[in-house]
Amino acid sequence: DIQMTQSPSSLSASVGDRVTITCRASQGIGNYVGWFQQKPGKAPKSLIYSASVLHDDVPSRFSATGSGTQFTLTISSLQPDDFATYYCQQYNTYPLTFGGGTTVDIK
Amino acid sequence: VQLQESGPGLVRPSETLSLTCSVSGGSVNTGHYYWSWIRQSPEKGLEWIGYIYYSGDTNYNPSLMSRVTISRDASKNQFSLTLMSVTAADTAMYYCARDLGDGYTLYHWGQGIPVVVSS
Repeated sequence: DIQMTQSPSSLSASVGDRVTITCRASQGIGNYVGWFQQKPGKAPKSLIYSASVLHDDVPSRFSATGSGTQFTLTISSLQPDDFATYYCQQYNTYPLTFGGGTTVDIK
Repeated sequence: VQLQESGPGLVRPSETLSLTCSVSGGSVNTGHYYWSWIRQSPEKGLEWIGYIYYSGDTNYNPSLMSRVTISRDASKNQFSLTLMSVTAADTAMYYCARDLGDGYTLYHWGQGIPVVVSS
């Protein structure tokens, strides 16, 4: 299985901060990566697919880049609604696998 | 499209876990979509269980393949998960989901159903 390693596992930030989350794949996966946001008691919500493409309903403060084995998710100016846990996921190879998550909480 | 999981919240060890995902706003046997099951636990995080394609083809996580079956009932517009010989390690929140239509983006999710394996 392809392992997806996220870092950090958690971070504390303030409203307005720039936040970057990193995801590393155990082998090259092209751009077959998605990013999800999950809030407590809710299902994960897809934010980004194909490594960098935002869904239409995702605010433009979210962006993502990467290919091969290194991927990043950036929130340019953290908003109160963004405090949540974020996961990367690869779909280059079955079984689909997810990163361990990065929890963004309030400093 | 909306998805809703249902099933027992408590399963005895060694028994079979059976969950159903009811679909509205779309059809499980048309549209070239993948209908998936994913589970989440504190120990294992998010774990993809498998999918059933609109055609009926299935694909399972090798870690669960010997115990899992995903099937569908087009007349009820539902798809189901069966997991045999459960242990405490199968305790998790179980989600059903559908892709965006691109074959891989898990875009539409149910709200999830918690399942506890305990005697």
